[in-house]
Amino acid sequence: GDSVTQMEGPVTLSEEAFLTINCTYTATGYPSLFWYVQYPGEGLQLLLKATKADDKGSNKGFEATYRKETTSFHLEKGSVQVSDSAVYFCALSSGGSNYKLTFGKGTLLTVNP
Amino acid sequence: DAGVIQSPRHEVTEMGQEVTLRCKPISGHDYLFWYRQTMMRGLELLIYFNNNVPIDDSGMPEDRFSAKMPNASFSTLKIQPSEPRDSAVYFCASSDTGGSYNEQFFGPGTRLTVL
Repeated sequence: GDSVTQMEGPVTLSEEAFLTINCTYTATGYPSLFWYVQYPGEGLQLLLKATKADDKGSNKGFEATYRKETTSFHLEKGSVQVSDSAVYFCALSSGGSNYKLTFGKGTLLTVNP
Repeated sequence: DAGVIQSPRHEVTEMGQEVTLRCKPISGHDYLFWYRQTMMRGLELLIYFNNNVPIDDSGMPEDRFSAKMPNASFSTLKIQPSEPRDSAVYFCASSDTGGSYNEQFFGPGTRLTVL
């Protein structure tokens, strides 16, 4: 079945540091890939997505590239801010008529000033 | 659009009591999902509906849990009787078949505490 493995947290960085959160997946067919973010006390919200191999999703300075050969979708940001402190979830959907998302366990990011 | 609406936002109850969580999906969305989030188990999909019909309830932990969707704008998740191990944040999410690649829109969650 489908599965998502993402880097265990927590991750603690100083402001303006470079961020990478690793995500790899196992899926049948050609999944769509997502990163969701959960700020404290809130629900998850979509951060970015990619729907086919070599696509790059980007939003708010975050980027992730769909790598079919390595089955990966690593999240990166060049310079993090305190306001980026949140839990980040990698997810996939096998697509077609299956609208179910499979989530990773989440990675807590704390950015210190 | 108001987004996905959940009520109550917080619920504290005693073991053995019935608990009902409510969700109003985004208008026009035809998929609705119920998730449970805990520190130990992370985010778990409990059940999801398409056009008000349950499609997959394999994540429902046991018979104490039940979910209904009587119409396109309302769903409930019921726990009867509740137990302390049911304490968690419960999220509802919705998505649109005609939308963008299965993006799900989440509500703010209901934090349930069972004493």
